[in-house]
Amino acid sequence: NSKVIQTPRYLVKGQGQKAKMRCIPEKGHPVVFWYQQNKNNEFKFLINFQNQEVLQQIDMTEKRFSAECPSNSPCSLEIQSSEAGDSALYLCASSYRGPYEQYFGPGTRLTVL
Amino acid sequence: GEKVEQHESTLSVREGDSAVINCTYTDTASSYFPWYKQEAGKSLHFVIDIRSNVDRKQSQRLIVLLDKKAKRFSLHITATQPEDSAIYFCAANMGYKLTFGTGTSLLVDP
Repeated sequence: NSKVIQTPRYLVKGQGQKAKMRCIPEKGHPVVFWYQQNKNNEFKFLINFQNQEVLQQIDMTEKRFSAECPSNSPCSLEIQSSEAGDSALYLCASSYRGPYEQYFGPGTRLTVL
Repeated sequence: GEKVEQHESTLSVREGDSAVINCTYTDTASSYFPWYKQEAGKSLHFVIDIRSNVDRKQSQRLIVLLDKKAKRFSLHITATQPEDSAIYFCAANMGYKLTFGTGTSLLVDP
């Protein structure tokens, strides 16, 4: 069973507002991933970290999305100016090494009104 | 971009029968293929995976087959039970990240 913790579970924002969500990876897992799952069950990879360093990220993330995984603090994903199309389930996963056995948290369900 | 296609969007089987879900991928560099289960309102639960150095892996009632030449992999659930009912997602790695299929909704009729 996954021990990835995500908060908050639900987030409701108006268009243009900031939305911030947090993730605590499983203990001992240095690799952290953020994915977006939309209502059509389409997944979009957003960004991943190894310890505090960004490994991969998509172009969209560089514009309105920002993320960090500081030492000794939860990882976070922030949308600077929310849009209706950002409404989705945001999933954080962690792994011990590389892409292998990524364990997912419960997700943060973002609704942008 | 690279894709993972999941061929069955829905699958209905009788309890005790086997269920097979098929996926194909496009990135020849993919080497890791996990499967996840998602129940209604819940997150993804890792069920089984296979790496490209083998073509078959079994864990209890779950069997994963990998055909690298055809870029195809499949999940076989034997002796299905009602609690197997869920959405199953296949995925393939591209570097560290995973690319997912769009899910197969499996219904096991008791």
